[in-house]
Amino acid sequence: GEDVEQSLFLSVREGDSSVINCTYTDSSSTYLYWYKQEPGAGLQLLTYIFSNMDMKQDQRLTVLLNKKDKHLSLRIADTQTGDSAIYFCAERSGANNLFFGTGTRLTVIP
Amino acid sequence: DTEVTQTPKHLVMGMTNKKSLKCEQHMGHRAMYWYKQKAKKPPELMFVYSYEKLSINESVPSRFSPECPNSSLLNLHLHALQPEDSALYLCASSLEPGLSQPQHFGDGTRLSIL
Repeated sequence: GEDVEQSLFLSVREGDSSVINCTYTDSSSTYLYWYKQEPGAGLQLLTYIFSNMDMKQDQRLTVLLNKKDKHLSLRIADTQTGDSAIYFCAERSGANNLFFGTGTRLTVIP
Repeated sequence: DTEVTQTPKHLVMGMTNKKSLKCEQHMGHRAMYWYKQKAKKPPELMFVYSYEKLSINESVPSRFSPECPNSSLLNLHLHALQPEDSALYLCASSLEPGLSQPQHFGDGTRLSIL
């Protein structure tokens, strides 16, 4: 079955870049997603990448995909305190299923 | 602000109660989803509706009963729940089922079973 792994915690200083990593096992994944979840809230879609791309940039966010190693990363430039949240990567498997990673709790230190 | 609206935001119920969670979207999405999220865990898929028909039931106990009365609404009827059912219940929708359209989530209903 699908297995999506992330580091549990990441701390960075305000203004630095954050890099959140994700590994997955399903080589047939077509799309991979990054979601942000703030305390007590639902999931906010941040960005997504098609599996035939290796990079996607959207303002402060850069997604890198290494399909050979099944490794996905999210880089947040100039990290702000408002970026503190849990970040989930997710892969689409089959027609409708999203499999989520374990989530990385990002703490931004002022 | 999310375009998927869930009510209520919080719900406390006893094990013998019957209640319903509601989800609404007006984006014209034809696929809607229920997820369950326990504390410090990722969301887990429960049900998928495609064009108002149930297409996936991930072996969810019958005390959870989904309903899709029209293309904008999704309900989750609850009856005789157990304390371990306490969780955040998330609704999501996507433009079309079967295509790689991203899923948009509501803010969830936080359910506590006494």
